[in-house]
Amino acid sequence: EDQVTQSPEALRLQEGESSSLNCSYTVSGLRGLFWYRQDPGKGPEFLFTLYSAGEEKEKERLKATLTKKESFLHITAPKPEDSATYLCAVLGSGGSYIPTFGRGTSLIVHP
Amino acid sequence: SAVISQKPSRDICQRGTSLTIQCQVDSQVTMMFWYRQQPGQSLTLIATANQGSEATYESGFVIDKFPISRPNLTFSTLTVSNMSPEDSSIYLCSVSSSGGNTIYFGEGSWLTVV
Repeated sequence: EDQVTQSPEALRLQEGESSSLNCSYTVSGLRGLFWYRQDPGKGPEFLFTLYSAGEEKEKERLKATLTKKESFLHITAPKPEDSATYLCAVLGSGGSYIPTFGRGTSLIVHP
Repeated sequence: SAVISQKPSRDICQRGTSLTIQCQVDSQVTMMFWYRQQPGQSLTLIATANQGSEATYESGFVIDKFPISRPNLTFSTLTVSNMSPEDSSIYLCSVSSSGGNTIYFGEGSWLTVV
């Protein structure tokens, strides 16, 4: 059974204070690891898909990295508008198109 | 990328009533899903909406409570029947890109049952 654990559950940062969110996973054959941003009351907004260990992707202040056991979402010099819940999900190679989601990390960036 | 439109975006519903949520995608997709997200929780899959056949429901969800239609490859509806306050949630439509490499979500339908 695929599993995803995100840490920390909540993170408070000052504007400009860089940090990382962690997504640890176990999966039988990784087809893809996904990162999403979710604002309160809204659907998840797709950020990245990572496919293999060593891969990195960037978008503005966000950078996602992947190893065989975990992924990190690095946030460089965050701004208050980066405040959101960040979700991680994995898709295994078992033939299903249904991902397994973590519980998310709630990020608050104070001005 | 796929653009997914959901209606309504938000509604307040009376206990015992039913509400149908619509999901429209801007391109044909094979895989379409419905999720529920209760306050402070992660996403829970309700069912896979199959085009031309009955939806496939996850454990704990039944067709009588959450009937789903999928008349074509760009549209689906989810009905929440005989609502109770416990059904207050965000309901999300999701599609998988061809090959399953990316999974997109709609904006969500935030239902509050009073």
